Amino acid sequence: AQRVTQPEKLLSVFKGAPVELKCNYSYSGSPELFWYVQYSRQRLQLLLRHISRESIKGFTADLNKGETSFHLKKPFAQEEDSAMYYCALTEALFSGGYNKLIFGAGTRLAVHP
Amino acid sequence: DAGVTQSPTHLIKTRGQQVTLRCSPKSGHDTVSWYQQALGQGPQFIFQYYEEEERQRGNFPDRFSGHQFPNYSSELNVNALLLGDSALYLCASSLYRANYNEQFFGPGTRLTVL
Repeated sequence: AQRVTQPEKLLSVFKGAPVELKCNYSYSGSPELFWYVQYSRQRLQLLLRHISRESIKGFTADLNKGETSFHLKKPFAQEEDSAMYYCALTEALFSGGYNKLIFGAGTRLAVHP
Repeated sequence: DAGVTQSPTHLIKTRGQQVTLRCSPKSGHDTVSWYQQALGQGPQFIFQYYEEEERQRGNFPDRFSGHQFPNYSSELNVNALLLGDSALYLCASSLYRANYNEQFFGPGTRLTVL
């Protein structure tokens, strides 16, 4: 079964502390993994995708196919990072096509001053 | 470009009624997907439209139906509403022939069924 699991509903850290939001997935094909973020009163938006190997707003995520994980990390959390974070996957479609997203339940990150 | 827009913002219905939600995709996009997000959950895929046809469907009953118009806008219809249909309904648009096509989300329509 295709599934994305985010084991933590809430992650609470202090400003400047490292952050790791966990994501594990189950998928039989070749997946493309994403992290989406939703800040307060804003719409869901893409934070980063594994294929691009970028660092966005200081966040990185490495796809570990052996452990089927795609954890989101940031070395020093900022208060503005407080938001809802969703891990998602889709079938890797390198030339376009239908791409339904399968989301995890989300983790709320709260960064305290 | 206002991005993906959805209407209405909020909607209150009673059990058994029917509802229609609307979505306009981001300029230049031709594919529209609909998601249901229940409280405390991640979005769940309902279906996806491309070239005015339903191309993929998630695990939702036939009470959920949709339509895509020639201008790529889309509607989601839900018949015989149940209390459990109360949720935030998200529309996302993308470009079918783009590599690694990213989905852009609208602000959602909050549906409350009483």
